Amino acid sequence: GQNIDQPTEMTATEGAIVQINCTYQTSGFNGLFWYQQHAGEAPTFLSYNVLDGLEEKGRFSSFLSRSKGYSYLLLKELQMKDSASYLCAVRGSGGSYIPTFGRGTSLIVHP
Amino acid sequence: DTEVTQTPKHLVMGMTNKKSLKCEQHMGHRAMYWYKQKAKKPPELMFVYSYEKLSINESVPSRFSPECPNSSLLNLHLHALQPEDSALYLCASSQSGTGYTSTDTQYFGPGTRLTVL
Repeated sequence: GQNIDQPTEMTATEGAIVQINCTYQTSGFNGLFWYQQHAGEAPTFLSYNVLDGLEEKGRFSSFLSRSKGYSYLLLKELQMKDSASYLCAVRGSGGSYIPTFGRGTSLIVHP
Repeated sequence: DTEVTQTPKHLVMGMTNKKSLKCEQHMGHRAMYWYKQKAKKPPELMFVYSYEKLSINESVPSRFSPECPNSSLLNLHLHALQPEDSALYLCASSQSGTGYTSTDTQYFGPGTRLTVL
């Protein structure tokens, strides 16, 4: 089976940096995704990590450590529009290519 | 272009109604998915179509009936739903239809907000 853990909620200030953690226990590992989802809208793809290290994409970066079963999403220069749910999804192995989603972290950015 | 479209955006139906949700993508993706999402919960996988054939059914009740008329279209037919079926229904697609590639990413449509009275 697969177990994915993220904090339920985080708050941060506009202009600041926030790190959202995701830990996982899976049967094998074939990639980790981060999605952003605004309330009532579809998840939007942010990043994909399959090798250890940091992937940077503008204000957003994602880090992976396979040996620790750990990833984080780093958001810099926070903006009010970054208030959303951030979903970590992990693709295991064993024939299924469908990622399993964590419960998501609700990020609230305040002025 | 990474657009997946869904219609309608909102749907209200009674428990005796029959309705359909539609999903379309023109990215040449060979896998298409239906997810159900309740408020403050992650998306739950319902069905997967791979090369227009149903490959995964996550023990979904028969009141939900998927259909894939061609490689670009995916429908979800609804009949005799229950109020607890009210949710956001998301369609997604990904490039690979057979197993996976290391970079296979799911792209989601905007969803249909379904309310069952």
